Amino acid sequence: GESVGLHLPTLSVQEGDNSIINCAYSNSASDYFIWYKQESGKGPQFIIDIRSNMDKRQGQRVTVLLNKTVKHLSLQIAATQPGDSAVYFCAENSGGSNYKLTFGKGTLLTVNP
Amino acid sequence: DAGVIQSPRHEVTEMGQEVTLRCKPISGHDYLFWYRQTMMRGLELLIYFNNNVPIDDSGMPEDRFSAKMPNASFSTLKIQPSEPRDSAVYFCASSFEVNRLGSAFFGQGTRLTVV
Repeated sequence: GESVGLHLPTLSVQEGDNSIINCAYSNSASDYFIWYKQESGKGPQFIIDIRSNMDKRQGQRVTVLLNKTVKHLSLQIAATQPGDSAVYFCAENSGGSNYKLTFGKGTLLTVNP
Repeated sequence: DAGVIQSPRHEVTEMGQEVTLRCKPISGHDYLFWYRQTMMRGLELLIYFNNNVPIDDSGMPEDRFSAKMPNASFSTLKIQPSEPRDSAVYFCASSFEVNRLGSAFFGQGTRLTVV
């Protein structure tokens, strides 16, 4: 079946650098996308979301970009901090009245001080 | 509010035993979700409720799994009989914004080990 996937399973960056985490999705019917952050021993935490009628959305230090043409989603973290070290998941919802989310496998971000 | 509260945090049980996981959603939230997380399969939605009514249980693995929500402040996920392949972290999440599923708040999870 269709699924959400990630290009990079691990990413290591220096503190202060910008981070980019990528995600590929294959369900063209998906109309809502979310990035989550999960720290060790904790549940996923919402970071930012975007609907398919947008191609960019900004939050505090984070930006999500959506390219529907190539079915690609990315999360950009500016001035990465040690506290950003975690596993990041993208998730998609195929719309309609079904509120099910399909999660990617995750990318481990490690920030070196 | 203390957030979504799950209990127990850790559970170790023998194969064949019944396991009950508990969840208290955030007060006022009308959606409740149960997820399972494993290294192999990642995060999977098992079932979700709206106003205490199960809406979609297509993610429940098999008849050994059952979930209930007797009232707005409590839900259980039961596995009977448990098997080693059920070992995973089980998360409960709640939300009140039906159009912004990403705003769902997750609990700390229950790490289940079936030996």
